Amino acid sequence: DVKVTQSSRYLVKRTGEKVFLECVQDMDHENMFWYRQDPGLGLRLIYFSYDVKMKEKGDIPEGYSVSREKKERFSLILESASTNQTSMYLCASSLWTGSSGNTIYFGEGSWLTVV
Amino acid sequence: GQQLNQSPQSMFIQEGEDVSMNCTSSSIFNTWLWYKQDPGEGPVLLIALYKAGELTSNGRLTAQFGITRKDSFLNISASIPSDVGIYFCAGQSTGGTSYGKLTFGQGTILTVHP
Repeated sequence: DVKVTQSSRYLVKRTGEKVFLECVQDMDHENMFWYRQDPGLGLRLIYFSYDVKMKEKGDIPEGYSVSREKKERFSLILESASTNQTSMYLCASSLWTGSSGNTIYFGEGSWLTVV
Repeated sequence: GQQLNQSPQSMFIQEGEDVSMNCTSSSIFNTWLWYKQDPGEGPVLLIALYKAGELTSNGRLTAQFGITRKDSFLNISASIPSDVGIYFCAGQSTGGTSYGKLTFGQGTILTVHP
């Protein structure tokens, strides 16, 4: 089975702190994604990566950056956390072959509270 | 960006009832996916639809990919308490530089009363 592991399930950080959310997948997937989930808004894409050291902005990249130094690991970085970044963050990965029907697998989520 | 409208936003039903929810889009998708999310967990894939008009079942779940490629529905028959959760539709683009990104609906919160 595909496993996407997010290192921290629950975090509490102070405004202005630098925050790292780590994600690791064990299926050699090319694509990795970071989503943010808020009530009533569904899941919104922050950033994604289709290869090592490659990254693309999603729909809401402001206030975030990402790092993909190894294929299996995709990190989300909040350079200076703010209270409006309190949310649940979901990492996902998928194998990409250029055809339709590539399933995206999600991690369990990281609940971040910024105080 | 692309928008998906998912309805209803929430449903309160009795155990044994059937459930129906749907998603519509302003854009065409090549794949429609339906996920379920239990409280405190990440979404888990229920059904994937790859072709316009396709009707696919997974146990008590049935989903269809609309002919226009701009909509999809999910039905759950004979609901049980463990069906409780949030159901998300997602559309996937596969052309150009999309890299298989998903666009999600807002979710349908399902509550099943025993």
